[in-house]
Amino acid sequence: AQKITQTQPGMFVQEKEAVTLDCTYDTSDQSYGLFWYKQPSSGEMIFLIYQGSYDEQNATEGRYSLNFQKARKSANLVISASQLGDSAMYFCAMREGPDGNKLVFGAGTILRVKS
Amino acid sequence: EAGVVQSPRYKIIEKKQPVAFWCNPISGHNTLYWYRQNLGQGPELLIRYENEEAVDDSQLPKDRFSAERLKGVDSTLKIQPAELGDSAVYLCASSLGVVQPDYGYTFGSGTRLTVV
Repeated sequence: AQKITQTQPGMFVQEKEAVTLDCTYDTSDQSYGLFWYKQPSSGEMIFLIYQGSYDEQNATEGRYSLNFQKARKSANLVISASQLGDSAMYFCAMREGPDGNKLVFGAGTILRVKS
Repeated sequence: EAGVVQSPRYKIIEKKQPVAFWCNPISGHNTLYWYRQNLGQGPELLIRYENEEAVDDSQLPKDRFSAERLKGVDSTLKIQPAELGDSAVYLCASSLGVVQPDYGYTFGSGTRLTVV
């Protein structure tokens, strides 16, 4: 069974508009963490934002925010004021394992920002 | 401070040939991870080291893949012999023991392997 599901293979957004990338997860652990990474065509994995399962507030980092709905097991990434440089692959990932030392990734969503 | 350094950046080899990838983690990071990322997919963990000990290698295809982390610092991932299906990006990451941003969990730029 998939642990991380990203249902949008590709998304388009107009420059300066906001976009939401979906992520749902499956775990029976009480303690877990959710990550979003950006991977441009150059290939490096760039960390964007992190949400711990016990964090009461939704995480925010500049133009990135995470819409965390624990009961629905969703952790959607919201990018505000999209820029052309935001065009990339975006991965949702979850920290799991008996010692929380394993990162499991979704299949990713390709985002294209249009001018 | 230098990040996680991987080399080579790109590698093209013929099938059945051996290949090796090298990773230098962030200084002081005791935990090192190797991931494989197939085209159009997310990375999948191959092996995790705590210092020089491989503590999770359940996803490493041991018939042709091997890895080592001598002295608990640099690590090498080897494939011998390579198959067409091994074409992928091989990512290395390191951290201070826990997969959390405040423990410095960081990826390298990856090695893109093409087997022809």
